[in-house]
This record gives sequence, C-alpha cells and structure tokens, in this order.
Amino acid sequence: DTGVSQDPRHKITKRGQNVTFRCDPISEHNRLYWYRQTLGQGPEFLTYFQNEAQLEKSRLLSDRFSAERPKGSFSTLEIQRTEQGDSAMYLCASSFGLDNEQFFGPGTRLTVL
Amino acid sequence: GESVGLHLPTLSVQEGDNSIINCAYSNSASDYFIWYKQESGKGPQFIIDIRSNMDKRQGQRVTVLLNKTVKHLSLQIAATQPGDSAVYFCAENMGNYGQNFVFGPGTRLSVLP
Repeated sequence: DTGVSQDPRHKITKRGQNVTFRCDPISEHNRLYWYRQTLGQGPEFLTYFQNEAQLEKSRLLSDRFSAERPKGSFSTLEIQRTEQGDSAMYLCASSFGLDNEQFFGPGTRLTVL
Repeated sequence: GESVGLHLPTLSVQEGDNSIINCAYSNSASDYFIWYKQESGKGPQFIIDIRSNMDKRQGQRVTVLLNKTVKHLSLQIAATQPGDSAVYFCAENMGNYGQNFVFGPGTRLSVLP
C-alpha cells in the first residue's frame, strides 16, 4: 500500500453514461497525476495538478474528460458520455515538491459495455 | 487480480540469476528516466531513477545503465527472486520536474524456481 487510494476499484457502465473516479493522494503531496493504462501498454499521462491548479493536460484528454482538485487534496476524474474505447485502468499518482518519485494508487478499472 | 500486459515481451530467468531488462526511449531531449515495477492488480512502483548527466546508478540489488548515444536504458537485477516477478516499465521525462512522463511498453519478468 503506497498511501494513495482510489475509489472505486472497479466500475462497469453502459456506453453513454457518465462516471466519476476519486483519488486521495498522500496527504502532504502537492502534485497529483492521472494516467490511463490499457492491457499490454504502459500508463499514458492524462493530466497533472500542482496543489489545486491543473498545469498540464494531454491531448488524450478529450472534452468528455474533466479533472478537478478543488482544495488541493483529493481529485476527481469525470468521463462524460462514455465510449467503449474508454475502457481501461485509470491510475492516480502523487509526489511532493521536486521529488520525482511518484507514488501510484491501485487504479480504477473501467469497463464500458 | 488485474492482469497487466498479457501480450508483453517476456524474460524468464532462474531464481538466483541476474536479470537484464532493456528499454529503448524515444526522445533525445529526455533528461530523466525512471524504472517502475508493476505487479498484477497494483499500480506501478518506483524502483530506481537516473538523470541524463549520469550513465550508471546503483540501488539495492538494482542497477540502471543509460546510453544516450543510442537512446537505450537497461535495468539489471542481481540475484533475482520470485518476488521480482512483475511487469517492468521504463519512463522518460522531457525536462519538466515530475510532469509528463512517457512510459515504454513494458517487459514481463518471470522468475523460475
């Protein structure tokens, strides 16, 4: 257990529905990252927060995706109008300051039917 | 648990032998590299990192070698143990601290008794 938690661990939804995932980073970590991982691939960067500010977004993050970190602590990732191609593991990671070691959570496995 | 990397390149080694996992990275401007270990059902776990001003770095039982000329990274694991069985990813960072990491496709390490 790295100290980063994600909820839910598994989510099954029907195409077109909205889903929201939550990440609770290690409490003193000011940086929070979201990644997506499909089977047989490495994680793909989606977005990054420093405190409450969203500083970088990947082109993978279409307008159906939105992430927030309102108080600089936990973060949510919402996917609207889900598509089958959104099926993947969504990973959250956190780090502190300029320390580049990112601590990953266990991920949320999304299946879109 | 979650299966990671069903169709990944696989390296099988005998328990007690040394393992070498290789990675070709993509961007000659990358200046920071990390090796991660991912076990089934878990998020990636930091193993060791190296900056581009170094060509070798050692940790506990692990050594990372960086060859910038051919954009090649390797991870050496000494006296491989059953607990080392996992998928290993290299990740490169193109300059910004702890922000956009690009992960390689991964290698599955299987340790034979």
